[in-house]
Amino acid sequence: GESVGLHLPTLSVQEGDNSIINCAYSNSASDYFIWYKQESGKGPQFIIDIRSNMDKRQGQRVTVLLNKTVKHLSLQIAATQPGDSAVYFCAENAGTYKYIFGTGTRLKVLA
Amino acid sequence: GAVVSQHPSRVICKSGTSVKIECRSLDFQATTMFWYRQFPKQSLMLMATSNEGSKATYEQGVEKDKFLINHASLTLSTLTVTSAHPEDSSFYICSARRAGREQYFGPGTRLTVT
Repeated sequence: GESVGLHLPTLSVQEGDNSIINCAYSNSASDYFIWYKQESGKGPQFIIDIRSNMDKRQGQRVTVLLNKTVKHLSLQIAATQPGDSAVYFCAENAGTYKYIFGTGTRLKVLA
Repeated sequence: GAVVSQHPSRVICKSGTSVKIECRSLDFQATTMFWYRQFPKQSLMLMATSNEGSKATYEQGVEKDKFLINHASLTLSTLTVTSAHPEDSSFYICSARRAGREQYFGPGTRLTVT
């Protein structure tokens, strides 16, 4: 289930189950969205992106859904594996080159 | 392709000294590089946008005289933390824009000020 820690919410998922990580973005003018995975002590790693003219995009084991009406983004990971344990950030971009990062969610995969 | 490196990966310095962090795009030219700061269990906060051949653009609340940014070539940007203090201890991450809006991130530099 989900719990809110001091700074980062945590999602605990059983290995093999699907994970859904949510993100609310702030700027209604944002038209490009990216999901990043960050392991401890490392830089963000690109997972998948989506532009505002789409509402769904699929990659390998990952799917991003975009709901512009409620300014909500989600990342679905199929068949979650121990290697998926990390912190996941969404980022939004509104036509400039600057990214605004969300608060992040820690994903814990339980064996 | 699109590899970004940072050096050093970790640095410990004494309070009052300055430390320089390098960000390099290894296999592409980056007209724009970005510097972020990340405190433990927090998100990435954009500090400044570094444009090759021109002055960096700093985000609100970031002291430009404390965090000096130089982007002298299309593959190198440097961040110098001047007169560092313990509260400057953080994880500093750079990214580079190759084309369009995609950014490629470096592995980060852990700065500890004692």
